This record gives sequence, C-alpha cells and structure tokens, in this order.
Amino acid sequence: SAVISQKPSRDICQRGTSLTIQCQVDSQVTMMFWYRQQPGQSLTLIATANQGSEATYESGFVIDKFPISRPNLTFSTLTVSNMSPEDSSIYLCSVTSEYTDTQYFGPGTRLTVL
Amino acid sequence: EDQVTQSPEALRLQEGESSSLNCSYTVSGLRGLFWYRQDPGKGPEFLFTLYSAGEEKEKERLKATLTKKESFLHITAPKPEDSATYLCAVRNTGFQKLVFGTGTRLLVSP
Repeated sequence: SAVISQKPSRDICQRGTSLTIQCQVDSQVTMMFWYRQQPGQSLTLIATANQGSEATYESGFVIDKFPISRPNLTFSTLTVSNMSPEDSSIYLCSVTSEYTDTQYFGPGTRLTVL
Repeated sequence: EDQVTQSPEALRLQEGESSSLNCSYTVSGLRGLFWYRQDPGKGPEFLFTLYSAGEEKEKERLKATLTKKESFLHITAPKPEDSATYLCAVRNTGFQKLVFGTGTRLLVSP
C-alpha cells in the first residue's frame, strides 16, 4: 500500500488569503486525486492531478479557485485561493497505481477559514 | 449517473451485538466496490474491494458481500474500537474516479 503524507495537517486562515497543501507519496503512483470533505459530509472529488499537464476538474470546481500542480509521480499540491468560510473543510489527497484498483488516502488537511 | 446510497445513517450497537450496514448502488458498469473506514479527523482507511456478485471478503470481525445491486458490511461481535464511519464507494468501468456514499456512523458501546 502507498504511504501518503500531507502538509500542513491543519491550519486556521483569514478570509481572502490562500493556502497551499502538499501531498507526498512514498512510491510512484499513476493517479493522484484531491477531495474535499465538508463537516458531516462525504467525500467530493475536486480534481485529478495529471503529471506534467493541467489537472482535470470536476463540475463545480475551477482552476482559478483550486490550482493544482503535479511536477512528478510522487508529489502534488493543491492551493485554495481567496478563501472564504465556506472553504472550511478537510482536504484529502488520494492515489492509485497501475498495479492496483485500490485508492489510498492521506491523513487530510483540516482547514478553518475565519 | 453513478449513485451510492448507504443505510442506516447512524447505528448504535452494544458490544457483541452483530449487525449489517447496507450500500445500494447504481452504476453503468461496475469496475469495483470499495469499503473504507474513517475515524474522526483522519483520512479513509481502505478495508475491501469487491469486483463481482457473489464475492465475499473478510477481515477480523468484518465481512463484505456483494450482489448486483448492493453490498453489505457485516460486523460480528463488534467491539468499541470498531466505532467509526464506514464509507462505500464504486468505480465505473469507464472512469477512474470513485463515487462515495454518505457513510454509516457506527457507535459500539461497551
């Protein structure tokens, strides 16, 4: 199984600022995903991070608000831009490899926007 | 559109009281059905993948089963440490993304 770390684990931010979340995997993976989990809710896919090209965003999510980078096969970042209190959520990085259908999740980043 | 519905939303059991969680799904072509456990403030932890109707997987006190329309997660003689939210998700044969249900919050009292 893949071991995934995320930084920061939590943060409290002011409205209008931006936060970049890092995701590091201990092995090369094929697919990397970013999810949001709002309080008491299930997981919603934000985008699929593609190595060396633009991310693929789900309906309701746009690149200007959630820019994503994936410079290599083991690392990705998600930025939450111009934050508002509605962005308060847990943000989760998730990965799969070409060898398995299983999708593994990182520990999450708990974001609170005041 | 692929959909996953989990029931009940919440379940309270006494230690040792066995029960089942339900996951109903509609998907145009099932590539896999996944069960995860999520503790508060943590990321989901992978439990099982099921691929075809009739398949069963077991791990300690948990057993997952699959039919063409639903999956069950059976919990035998649960312990307080089994308390968590259990999430079900499906992956379509044509896409990579998982579609999640809203989960069942399980509380096991000593």
